[in-house]
Amino acid sequence: DAGVTQSPTHLIKTRGQQVTLRCSPKSGHDTVSWYQQALGQGPQFIFQYYEEEERQRGNFPDRFSGHQFPNYSSELNVNALLLGDSALYLCASSFRDATGELFFGEGSRLTVL
Amino acid sequence: SQELEQSPQSLIVQEGKNLTINCTSSKTLYGLYWYKQKYGEGLIFLMMLQKGGEEKSHEKITAKLDEKKQQSSLHITASQPSHAGIYLCGADSPGNQFYFGTGTSLTVIP
Repeated sequence: DAGVTQSPTHLIKTRGQQVTLRCSPKSGHDTVSWYQQALGQGPQFIFQYYEEEERQRGNFPDRFSGHQFPNYSSELNVNALLLGDSALYLCASSFRDATGELFFGEGSRLTVL
Repeated sequence: SQELEQSPQSLIVQEGKNLTINCTSSKTLYGLYWYKQKYGEGLIFLMMLQKGGEEKSHEKITAKLDEKKQQSSLHITASQPSHAGIYLCGADSPGNQFYFGTGTSLTVIP
């Protein structure tokens, strides 16, 4: 039973570029949440997707957008990258929009130069 | 928004020592969760507490929820190097978002 998988694991971009991160949820899960974790801080909620729609959104600008596909996998897109976007991006899956026992992927480490 | 403050921010202990990490909420807790994160990796679910006064244990880790004080504590007995990592508390909110605390970095010296 595959857990949550994320890709890529590491990537380097320059300011102004765009990036797409991908997440496949744990088998049987239909809800995906994305978090940004800066170095030395706790994860910050970006948004949550369920039934291919954004259900909840944290305090992040419109440069951060997402998508959920019919197979429940999800993408996180960040446009016009800033140095401050450098972080570990974590994807978490759960069943429906239940919170709490979230299952996390290993994350995608984004470095913006 | 819900805020979760953890203390201490970092902790360095000798192997075999006991330690406690605290998590304090600025709002009423509907459910309190503890996660562990190895440096630079994903989070691993440890325990969930929902009722005031509830206490759960797993191996050498015990978590308690004091609903009246809007606090939870995580206690590790006889710490081992394998306990090292970042401990995060998390909570549900009425808006169905899930928030994490500020994190506590634990180092266990052999």
